[in-house]
Amino acid sequence: SAVISQKPSRDICQRGTSLTIQCQVDSQVTMMFWYRQQPGQSLTLIATANQGSEATYESGFVIDKFPISRPNLTFSTLTVSNMSPEDSSIYLCSVVQGAGFGQETQYFGPGTRLLVL
Amino acid sequence: QKEVEQNSGPLSVPEGAIASLNCTYSDRVSQSFFWYRQYSGKSPELIMSIYSNGDKEDGRFTAQLNKASQYVSLLIRDSQPSDSATYLCAVAFSGTASKLTFGTGTRLQVTL
Repeated sequence: SAVISQKPSRDICQRGTSLTIQCQVDSQVTMMFWYRQQPGQSLTLIATANQGSEATYESGFVIDKFPISRPNLTFSTLTVSNMSPEDSSIYLCSVVQGAGFGQETQYFGPGTRLLVL
Repeated sequence: QKEVEQNSGPLSVPEGAIASLNCTYSDRVSQSFFWYRQYSGKSPELIMSIYSNGDKEDGRFTAQLNKASQYVSLLIRDSQPSDSATYLCAVAFSGTASKLTFGTGTRLQVTL
């Protein structure tokens, strides 16, 4: 499986500031995603990071709040903008490996633990 | 809205017993189903994937899928304390692994 790294692993931020999270994969992947896991809850998909074009956001998430870049097939960033305490979560990037029905599997990075004060 | 439901637990089983984790989903056309294990403070780790009705076995783990009942389960045989974690059921409503909807997870505790 792909080796996925994220930076930073954790951070404590003040409200109103922004944080950019980096996701690096050791091989080229077509599909990359960003998820959020709020305390005690399950994972929620934020957006699909599209290489060379604007990210595709899920309902409830907007580009102004969570701008995403994907300059190539191994790297993506997620920015959490104008943070509030409600943004305190674990942010995870994921990648899909394999192609075709029954062959695809999705793997997750180690996550970035964000606390907003 | 497409949903995945799990009992949040905790499910407590003694060491050596079989743990049975259940998951239901709302969309009849879903084709891809996954079980992830998440230890506290860690990211989800893929355990099993299943795409066809019936059972799929991998070591101590067996995934069971019943599309007619919209039900997928995970059995863990010979449960070990190291199996204590939260188990997340994920469904690809789009038919591929690309966009997953997760259940809330079932916390499993294996007791000595």
